Amino acid sequence: QVHLVQSGAEVKKPGASVKVSCKASGYTFTNYAIHWVRQAPGQRLEWVGWINGDNGNTKYSQKFQGRVTFTTDTSANIAYMELSSLRSEDTAVYYCARADFWSGYYRWFDPWGQGTPVTVS
Amino acid sequence: QSALTQPPSVSGSPGQSVTISCTGTSSDVYASNRVSWYQQPPGTAPKLIIFEVSFRPSGVPARFSGSKSGNTASLTISGLQADDEADYYCCLYTISSTYVFGSGTKVTVL
Repeated sequence: QVHLVQSGAEVKKPGASVKVSCKASGYTFTNYAIHWVRQAPGQRLEWVGWINGDNGNTKYSQKFQGRVTFTTDTSANIAYMELSSLRSEDTAVYYCARADFWSGYYRWFDPWGQGTPVTVS
Repeated sequence: QSALTQPPSVSGSPGQSVTISCTGTSSDVYASNRVSWYQQPPGTAPKLIIFEVSFRPSGVPARFSGSKSGNTASLTISGLQADDEADYYCCLYTISSTYVFGSGTKVTVL
């Protein structure tokens, strides 16, 4: 069974960085990408970007460009998201999700990790 | 970039059908079949229920169906059940090779 298990809740001060992990199991890690999505309290889902599990290629939402970095450890099947220069507006639950590449795009996000709450205060 | 608008809430009695719309502000939705839907029960992670406008992943009940007309994609839940209570989000792959989520719709089972 496919599972994504994320690291635990974080509390950070403004200006600091946070690194969230997402450990995959139940599938071949390098055959899929990992997308990151966040959800501020009471708000809609917001796409952050993706990393290809095979070659490490990335794409970031323009909103986060320059502040976010995705990496992977393919030996351990783990994806990481690091967000720097944190501000209060970054307080959110951060999710990772597996994505399938088909016909030129990632057509679905499934499954999702349980989410990692990040509080900036 | 397209913004996707959904009604804030819809409701129905058990056994009824409800439809959630997802309307784009540009031609993105009109030109693309790259729309997916996610169900998010309270306090939990989202779950994929529809991809490419109308395809259901294995394990998702046939009560969930998707469609598109013009610039609006729709999700219909037939035979509404109590555990369908959740927030529902549409998601579009845009011409900029990015993803945008809809504003979300809360489904209430009366």
